[in-house]
Amino acid sequence: TQLLEQSPQFLSIQEGENLTVYCNSSSVFSSLQWYRQEPGEGPVLLVTVVTGGEVKKLKRLTFQFGDARKDSSLHITAAQPGDTGLYLCAGLYQGAQKLVFGQGTRLTINP
Amino acid sequence: DARVTQTPRDKVTEMGQEVTMRCQPILGHNTVFWYRQTMMQGLELLAYFRNRAPLDDSGMPKDRFSAEMPDATLATLKIQPSEPRDSAVYFCASGPGGHRFGYTFGSGTRLTVV
Repeated sequence: TQLLEQSPQFLSIQEGENLTVYCNSSSVFSSLQWYRQEPGEGPVLLVTVVTGGEVKKLKRLTFQFGDARKDSSLHITAAQPGDTGLYLCAGLYQGAQKLVFGQGTRLTINP
Repeated sequence: DARVTQTPRDKVTEMGQEVTMRCQPILGHNTVFWYRQTMMQGLELLAYFRNRAPLDDSGMPKDRFSAEMPDATLATLKIQPSEPRDSAVYFCASGPGGHRFGYTFGSGTRLTVV
């Protein structure tokens, strides 16, 4: 059972386009984290969102935490080939501090 | 930059053999996770520790997997006996704990059981 559902699983778009990746769950999380993974390496933390409704920006990347702290989105503006990679969302459960991951979104930006 | 160190980077072993993977967390981090990644299942949580104490290892096949933290600088994941279905990339991650902080991952151990 996948506790965090990411969509889409695969996305291939042209350079310059915008895109949004979604991360949904029926569970409430104390925080939601986004990671990016390159081939042959471990995931690298991009951002942590903690408060319901919180929005964080990292250059062309915008992250939002849902009001109920059950879902999140990642929006990339004017995508570039360097954005290509596997994007993973991860939810941290309250109390137990258990970190579980979604299946990931494999993003390809074509020049 | 501080990093999480995992050894070995790659391991090929025969079915039935014992495999030990090691992880050196970042100094001062009190929370350590072990994950397994495959194309089919993604990142699966195997076990995690807080202040060296195991909090949850329900993700591990108990009959063959074991995870320990003999001291604050070393976490180990052992498989005995190994099976072909254990072939995957195993990641260790450490963090300071708390919900405001993310985690730092090692580069992983790629295990192939033949």
